[in-house]
Amino acid sequence: EVQLLESGGGLVQPGGSLRLSCAASGFTIGSYAMSWVRQAPGKGLEWVSVISGSGTNTFYADSVKGRFTISRDNSKNTLYLQMNSLRAEDTAVFYCAKEACSSTSCWMEYWGQGTLVTVSS
Amino acid sequence: EIVMTQSPATLSVSPGERATLSCRASQSVNSNLAWYQQKPGQAPRLLIYGASTRATGVPARFSGSGSGTEFTLTISSLQSEDFAVYYCQQYNNWPVTFGQGTRLEIK
Repeated sequence: EVQLLESGGGLVQPGGSLRLSCAASGFTIGSYAMSWVRQAPGKGLEWVSVISGSGTNTFYADSVKGRFTISRDNSKNTLYLQMNSLRAEDTAVFYCAKEACSSTSCWMEYWGQGTLVTVSS
Repeated sequence: EIVMTQSPATLSVSPGERATLSCRASQSVNSNLAWYQQKPGQAPRLLIYGASTRATGVPARFSGSGSGTEFTLTISSLQSEDFAVYYCQQYNNWPVTFGQGTRLEIK
C-alpha cells in the first residue's frame, strides 16, 4: 500500500527557513517523479515543485523559484522541500504527491495528508 | 500559464440525482486532464486521469469526458460520501495548473 507522510511544518517568522520531509512507503521513490503541492487556508490547490524519477530534473512554480529546493534521498525513501526566505503568502498546507506517468505526461496519483506551514511574526 | 476555469463554483444536488461539473482550459490540453476529490480536512484524491480513465478503486458512478479545452465530470447517482470539493488539473503544459474548484453540496 502506497503511503506518504509529510512532516516538518510549523510556525516560522517571515524570512525564515523550514525543511519539509515526505517519507514514502509501499514503493521506491527513486523510480517515480514526485511533487509538492500547497493549499493556502480556504483556498485551492497550487503546484509548487516536481523532481523527476531520475532526480536530475527539477521544476518550480515562479512563486517559489530561487527560494525553494526540492530533493530526494533514495536511501531513506524520502522527499524533501527546503524553503528559504519564507513569506506570509507561503502559509499553506503542503502536500507531497507520487506521480504516475504515461509516455508523455504525469499526474498526481497518490497524496500525503499534508503538513501545515504558517509564516507569521 | 494555462488557466483552468471550473463551473459552477457551488452545485447543490439531492442524493441519488446526477451531478455534472465543468472545467474549461484557456488553451488545448489534449486529454491531459485529471479530476480530484477533496473532503474537509483531507488530502485530495485522484478520481480521473487522461480525461476519462477512472483511478484504481474509484466507483463506476464517476465518469469523465472531453478533450481539448472542455471537460466534464459526471457523478451518476450521488451518494452521501460524494459531497466534497472537486478540482480539475491540466498536466499538458508546465506549470501544471488547477481549477479553483467546485463545491458539491447537499440540496
